[in-house]
Amino acid sequence: GDSVTQMEGPVTLSEEAFLTINCTYTATGYPSLFWYVQYPGEGLQLLLKATKADDKGSNKGFEATYRKETTSFHLEKGSVQVSDSAVYFCALRGRSGSEKLVFGKGTKLTVNP
Amino acid sequence: IAGITQAPTSQILAAGRRMTLRCTQDMRHNAMYWYRQDLGLGLRLIHYSNTAGTTGKGEVPDGYSVSRANTDDFPLTLASAVPSQTSVYFCASSYSTYRDTNTGELFFGEGSRLTVL
Repeated sequence: GDSVTQMEGPVTLSEEAFLTINCTYTATGYPSLFWYVQYPGEGLQLLLKATKADDKGSNKGFEATYRKETTSFHLEKGSVQVSDSAVYFCALRGRSGSEKLVFGKGTKLTVNP
Repeated sequence: IAGITQAPTSQILAAGRRMTLRCTQDMRHNAMYWYRQDLGLGLRLIHYSNTAGTTGKGEVPDGYSVSRANTDDFPLTLASAVPSQTSVYFCASSYSTYRDTNTGELFFGEGSRLTVL
């Protein structure tokens, strides 16, 4: 079945450092790919998405490119801020007709001043 | 705009008791979902509903039941709670159809923290 694997955390960075959180997937066909973010004490919210190969999703300085050849959707940001401290989830939705999202286990990011 | 409202926010429950977690959305979304979030395991789907009147089992449905009598409400019931059901429960909804491949965004509530002793 469909699955998502993302890098184990936690990740601790200093402010203005470069961030990469790796995400790879296994799915039949061409899934849609998502990154969700969960700030402390809150529910998840969509950060960015890509629906086909070579698409780049971007939002709030974060970017991720849908790489079909490597089945990857790595999250990057050039200069993180303290306010980016959160848990980040990679997810996919398959093209089988189901609406359900499959999530990775999450990566906790802490950014220190 | 309220979005998704979950209740209660937090609850401590004795093992063997019955508990219903409530979820209401005001976005007229077709699909609704219940996930549980556990440390090291991420989010796992418990049950879902693609439209009012239908429900389906997710990855971890045992010990839980749901109903979808109308578009707005999607309660999750634990008939006889056990300690392994201690978790944070998230309700979510989405507005998309089987043929719409450009959405898929889920909107989440703020969660219900349940502790079963």
